Amino acid sequence: SQQGEEDPQALSIQEGENATMNCSYKTSINNLQWYRQNSGRGLVHLILIRSNEREKHSGRLRVTLDTSKKSSSLLITASRAADTASYFCATGQNFVFGPGTRLSVLP
Amino acid sequence: DTGVSQNPRHKITKRGQNVTFRCDPISEHNRLYWYRQTLGQGPEFLTYFQNEAQLEKSRLLSDRFSAERPKGSFSTLEIQRTEQGDSAMYLCASSPPLLAGGPHEQYFGPGTRLTVT
Repeated sequence: SQQGEEDPQALSIQEGENATMNCSYKTSINNLQWYRQNSGRGLVHLILIRSNEREKHSGRLRVTLDTSKKSSSLLITASRAADTASYFCATGQNFVFGPGTRLSVLP
Repeated sequence: DTGVSQNPRHKITKRGQNVTFRCDPISEHNRLYWYRQTLGQGPEFLTYFQNEAQLEKSRLLSDRFSAERPKGSFSTLEIQRTEQGDSAMYLCASSPPLLAGGPHEQYFGPGTRLTVT
């Protein structure tokens, strides 16, 4: 099945810095999505990028997709303490999530 | 609130007891998903409904687990003879009808945290 796997597993940065996390997957996809999960809560959809798109922006988020490398990256610019969460990528109809990247933004 | 709701939010039960969780999806979402998530891990897919039909079921789902969506609206997930290893967060998600060739996103509920003692 299609699977997203995030890297790094944990990331700690200072408020105001940029955070970059990566996702690799194994099979061809129609689209890839990024989700955020605050501690102990459900997941929130952040952004969807289609296979024919290379880059997409939403506010402080920028997602890139490289289908030749089967990888995607999520960039959060000017991070805030409220961005502290786990971030997951997902592909496929029945999403298979990796372990996620746990981002800590320190004030 | 028109989001996905799950009840109860927390459940503590003794090993061997049966538990049932409920998920109310966003209205007009015909697709509904159940996931299980343990600490430090991503959600694991359990099962998927399109309307009232259960179309896919993970091999992770043992015979003690059963899910229903009788009228294509809310869904229940029952765990019989609970074991300590069933302790986890159970997440429900829904999504709208899939347009031809179109992608979809899933809308997640807050989850039900199960603790089996």
